[in-house]
Amino acid sequence: GAGVSQSPRYKVAKRGQDVALRCDPISGHVSLFWYQQALGQGPEFLTYFQNEAQLDKSGLPSDRFFAERPEGSVSTLKIQRTQQEDSAVYLCASSSWDRGETQYFGPGTRLLVL
Amino acid sequence: DAKTTQPTSMDCAEGRAANLPCNHSTISGNEYVYWYRQIHSQGPQYIIHGLKNNETNEMASLIITEDRKSSTLILPHATLRDTAVYYCIVRVAGRDDKIIFGKGTRLHILP
Repeated sequence: GAGVSQSPRYKVAKRGQDVALRCDPISGHVSLFWYQQALGQGPEFLTYFQNEAQLDKSGLPSDRFFAERPEGSVSTLKIQRTQQEDSAVYLCASSSWDRGETQYFGPGTRLLVL
Repeated sequence: DAKTTQPTSMDCAEGRAANLPCNHSTISGNEYVYWYRQIHSQGPQYIIHGLKNNETNEMASLIITEDRKSSTLILPHATLRDTAVYYCIVRVAGRDDKIIFGKGTRLHILP
């Protein structure tokens, strides 16, 4: 079956622009996670959804970051007024209750803010 | 902070076994050892996990010491496609919770 997909794969934004990153989880997966990965570092947690409920947003670095999953499937991570320090790979992962230990990751969106 | 310690990088000859060590001296009784890897330009991929017994699947073997303070991931016959960053993680299994990654070990498979 299809894995987790993310779009766009690459995004170049000018400082101050708003961007929206999309994640399509594996069909039927209840849980969805967003991570941010800076160059040379491991992924760092941003936020977590269970169906449409955002249960943990403790990793969002500022109020410029906003995530939603209105129908409990597709999720969008929005970054407002992008800054150069937002340049990173944004990874999405999904998991199901019966295999809660395994998160399946998408390929990521590489964001470059100029 | 990550609860594991791994070497920054390792080399392994193609066709040989790659043995990746991990220290997790503060692991709790209900925490499992998980391994993920991340091939260049891809998202992390689950490899294997275990509690205290050794585990084996089609990708790798996991050897956990009796005191559970360290473990070794074994890729029995490394290929060039195994070149990746390998992350050792400790977390409670069966709980839908974020993964805390460290910096991992960058494994280079040499032809």
